[in-house]
Amino acid sequence: AQSVAQPEDQVNVAEGNPLTVKCTYSVSGNPYLFWYVQYPNRGLQFLLKYITGDNLVKGSYGFEAEFNKSQTSFHLKKPSALVSDSALYFCAVSMDSSYKLIFGSGTRLLVRP
Amino acid sequence: GAVVSQHPSWVICKSGTSVKIECRSLDFQATTMFWYRQFPKQSLMLMATSNEGSKATYEQGVEKDKFLINHASLTLSTLTVTSAHPEDSSFYICSASRGTDLQETQYFGPGTRLLVL
Repeated sequence: AQSVAQPEDQVNVAEGNPLTVKCTYSVSGNPYLFWYVQYPNRGLQFLLKYITGDNLVKGSYGFEAEFNKSQTSFHLKKPSALVSDSALYFCAVSMDSSYKLIFGSGTRLLVRP
Repeated sequence: GAVVSQHPSWVICKSGTSVKIECRSLDFQATTMFWYRQFPKQSLMLMATSNEGSKATYEQGVEKDKFLINHASLTLSTLTVTSAHPEDSSFYICSASRGTDLQETQYFGPGTRLLVL
């Protein structure tokens, strides 16, 4: 069965420091991987996706993620965190045979000034 | 581009009444729309997938007679919660996909918070 794991409920980082939000996945076919961000009482905003090609994907707001097939991971990164990056981040996966997105449990990012 | 709206943003209703939530793609045609439910501090759970002009496909455990989905046009899908009960209170989020390519990104609406008294 497909699954996505976000092992950290919360990540705390100081403004200006690099941040990493972890995601690992388990699928039986070729994965399509996504990161979304959710602000309070709002829907999800698309950050970036990996379909094929270069393992390093660059997305919105300075975020990037690296696809690592051997470790089945797709960690979200940003070189320098902003207080405004504080939000709930979701990793999601779909397979090349289905539209269905499977979401991780979410990681709350808190960037302190 | 790729803006999805939902209306209403929040609704309070009495138990036993029906509530309709609209999802619109504002600047693109959405071949496929999705309805999710999110419980407090939890992830999104897919309820159903709908394609314009055809019946929705419901996920296991989702009552299709309770959650009626209509995808009448390429820019509008509606979710009607029939005979709502307090346990239906939740945050409902729709998303829309531009094309038929399985790689297409889903763009999400801002969500509708439903409270059933």
